[in-house]
Amino acid sequence: DTGVSQDPRHKITKRGQNVTFRCDPISEHNRLYWYRQTLGQGPEFLTYFQNEAQLEKSRLLSDRFSAERPKGSFSTLEIQRTEQGDSAMYLCASSRTAGGPTYEQYFGPGTRLTVT
Amino acid sequence: GNSVTQMEGPVTLSEEAFLTINCTYTATGYPSLFWYVQYPGEGLQLLLKATKADDKGSNKGFEATYRKETTSFHLEKGSVQVSDSAVYFCALSDVDNYGQNFVFGPGTRLSVLP
Repeated sequence: DTGVSQDPRHKITKRGQNVTFRCDPISEHNRLYWYRQTLGQGPEFLTYFQNEAQLEKSRLLSDRFSAERPKGSFSTLEIQRTEQGDSAMYLCASSRTAGGPTYEQYFGPGTRLTVT
Repeated sequence: GNSVTQMEGPVTLSEEAFLTINCTYTATGYPSLFWYVQYPGEGLQLLLKATKADDKGSNKGFEATYRKETTSFHLEKGSVQVSDSAVYFCALSDVDNYGQNFVFGPGTRLSVLP
């Protein structure tokens, strides 16, 4: 069990460019989550997958954001036409499926995005 | 909607002092409650959890009790160590009319001095 990994760890991009982040969950976990964390704040839920199905998207998620998990393993998060307000740490987490919201989530180290 | 409120930090304590970090929540259903910890330069780690009223979660000397009557889940430790210096996040997981949602508090930074 190597834990949740994310790539890249840091990304600097210019406003208006597209960026894509990758998350590799713990291999036997079928749930995968994306969060955004800004300085001094807790993680803000963006979306989550069960296997390859995207089950939930935050009502705060802009349509410039899209996430995929095509084979139920790794996931990608794409931000189109980045804005300075998108600068944040993007966190990925994974978990097993349990009989309710009692499962624990294992977090990756995050991808820090800076939009200049 | 659901929300989590934590006491503001930073909290600075001397080694072996008693720790309390307050957490209160608002939820429409019957949430599960969690404390996560983030050490410098690392990702979030689950510290403890409680899934129903009056449950007590505990780990590494930390404890928190799910109090439905006061909608609280305060984190406590009897004797902190320098290695406990980190940011602590209270969180809830719930299901409402819009589906499953996960809400984190803003975090409380703890610094323990030798």
